[in-house]
Amino acid sequence: KQEVTQIPAALSVPEGENLVLNCSFTDSAIYNLQWFRQDPGKGLTSLLLIQSSQREQTSGRLNASLDKSSGRSTLYIAASQPGDSATYLCAAKRRTANSKLTFGKGITLSVRP
Amino acid sequence: DAGVTQSPTHLIKTRGQHVTLRCSPISGHKSVSWYQQVLGQGPQFIFQYYEKEERGRGNFPDRFSARQFPNYSSELNVNALLLGDSALYLCASSLGTGRAYNEQFFGPGTRLTVL
Repeated sequence: KQEVTQIPAALSVPEGENLVLNCSFTDSAIYNLQWFRQDPGKGLTSLLLIQSSQREQTSGRLNASLDKSSGRSTLYIAASQPGDSATYLCAAKRRTANSKLTFGKGITLSVRP
Repeated sequence: DAGVTQSPTHLIKTRGQHVTLRCSPISGHKSVSWYQQVLGQGPQFIFQYYEKEERGRGNFPDRFSARQFPNYSSELNVNALLLGDSALYLCASSLGTGRAYNEQFFGPGTRLTVL
């Protein structure tokens, strides 16, 4: 059974800081790992998807890395802005015939002006 | 291009009632998945449908059922509602199920409150 953990549950940083959000998973036999952003009461916005054969993906100020052997992924946010305040969730897809994603509980990020 | 759409946005029901939630995937996407997200938790997988067939089912009771239509839209049905069914119900679509087609795109969700 895949379990995904995100620690800490909440994080508060001043504007402009570079930060790293951590995600760990127990089953390294994954197809891919996806990072999402969720604003309060809203749906999920896909940020980055890393295939199991990849080590990292980049989009703008975001960079996600994947280390299957250690069961870890990180989301790096450069030069954080107040608009980055949201909950960030990671989700792992195991090597199964269906599309089930296993999510962590998320990290609620607050960027102070 | 329209993203994943869900209806209704909000819904209030009482215990014992039945509810139907609807989802339209991104044009060209053939896979639809349903997730339940209770406050403070990550989404939990309920069902996946691909080409109108059930491809996966999460650990939810038989009160939960779903189907996919020929146009790839989907309905999630919940019978005999319980207070604990109050949650944000999310629909996700993807091109397919293979590794190259599995990126999931989520809709805005339906907020269900059971009184």
